[in-house]
Amino acid sequence: DQQVKQNSPSLSVQEGRISILNCDYTNSMFDYFLWYKKYPAEGPTFLISISSIKDKNEDGRFTVFLNKSAKHLSLHIVPSQPGDSAVYFCAARPLGTDKLIFGTGTRLQVFP
Amino acid sequence: NAGVMQNPRHLVRRRGQEARLRCSPMKGHSHVYWYRQLPEEGLKFMVYLQKENIIDESGMPKERFSAEFPKEGPSILRIQQVVRGDSAAYFCASSPGRALKANVLTFGAGSRLTVL
Repeated sequence: DQQVKQNSPSLSVQEGRISILNCDYTNSMFDYFLWYKKYPAEGPTFLISISSIKDKNEDGRFTVFLNKSAKHLSLHIVPSQPGDSAVYFCAARPLGTDKLIFGTGTRLQVFP
Repeated sequence: NAGVMQNPRHLVRRRGQEARLRCSPMKGHSHVYWYRQLPEEGLKFMVYLQKENIIDESGMPKERFSAEFPKEGPSILRIQQVVRGDSAAYFCASSPGRALKANVLTFGAGSRLTVL
């Protein structure tokens, strides 16, 4: 029962171009959505979040879009940099809880 | 200001042995969360604890697994009689309070358990 899905296991983007990472969810009872970035041998690092009452949140090069009718969110990174190469996890928080439901991750590689 | 400290970083156990994983939260944080990442999967919630209290253990396997966060000392995730399927990376996260703003979790680097 995978409530948060990242269907693309990997993505390769040229430096300077836009990276778009996608995430779908099946449960309407999530109140927050988050993106975490993870480097090898390190723990996940928080990147950006969005409340379920919003449809867009922007922080520097990172923008998260939420489409509630499609139960879909995406992370846009522009311009992409080689240091962005990592595994990106989408996560959602069920309403009224303190836990996060994670997707399986997308490995982003930004090449020069 | 050290972050979330987990040890050991790597632990090898034979089937049937016990594994103990420790987590020291960030200074000032009194809430601890344990997540497990199996190979090729995302992180899965296991348990949420405050000092001396288990708040939510809905993700903990019913048998062999236990967690504590004593008044003094680190949080400990204990796995008794380990099996090969317990091989995973175990991540601890901490927060200063109830994660009302969902971005306040800080994760440690993880403890990788290998069961032979």
